[in-house]
Amino acid sequence: QKEVEQNSGPLSVPEGAIASLNCTYSDRGSQSFFWYRQYSGKSPELIMFIYSNGDKEDGRFTAQLNKASQYVSLLIRDSQPSDSATYLCAVLPSLHGSSNTGKLIFGQGTTLQVKP
Amino acid sequence: DAGVTQSPTHLIKTRGQHVTLRCSPISGHKSVSWYQQVLGQGPQFIFQYYEKEERGRGNFPDRFSARQFPNYSSELNVNALLLGDSALYLCASSLAWRGGRDQPQHFGDGTRLSIL
Repeated sequence: QKEVEQNSGPLSVPEGAIASLNCTYSDRGSQSFFWYRQYSGKSPELIMFIYSNGDKEDGRFTAQLNKASQYVSLLIRDSQPSDSATYLCAVLPSLHGSSNTGKLIFGQGTTLQVKP
Repeated sequence: DAGVTQSPTHLIKTRGQHVTLRCSPISGHKSVSWYQQVLGQGPQFIFQYYEKEERGRGNFPDRFSARQFPNYSSELNVNALLLGDSALYLCASSLAWRGGRDQPQHFGDGTRLSIL
């Protein structure tokens, strides 16, 4: 079982729709969760982070965390063609599991295509 | 404020050669982490340095080494290059070593290394 799993996609949505990106993780003690956006040939750009159960909203983006189900998601409302990118889920594992490092564990990313 | 800066942006080497990649963190950030990203995958953790000390090492061979300088900049060295070392090498910085709550890791633009 991979530590962080994402569906590689591509996920295709029409312009203006809601895009829903999902991520599961294996370390139950994981503490913080991050969503990075990566355009082709570019580096990851942080768009959201969450560490408490529930929803966190920032503009068109909403991150949702359910620690009991070990599940984190990212919703993008009113999707735009400029949102087309790969979205990486990253997890900061528990202190015990990570041997006290600050390393992030990434999923393989979900490619989102927003069609005009 | 300047973000994380990496140099060079692109590098072409041949098998068996050595390479040094450089990173300057965001001003005030004391933690620097290195990641390797191969095409189609999420970044994989290589090293973390905090206050000039190694705080974590990923599952990479001893050909990979790094260090952090008193000004918190960092170098990643790779010896005896293999074809499989071709990847995007990313540097990330954060305020604290855990880079968690409200102190997420921010990535530089990366160095694209090609091995011929």
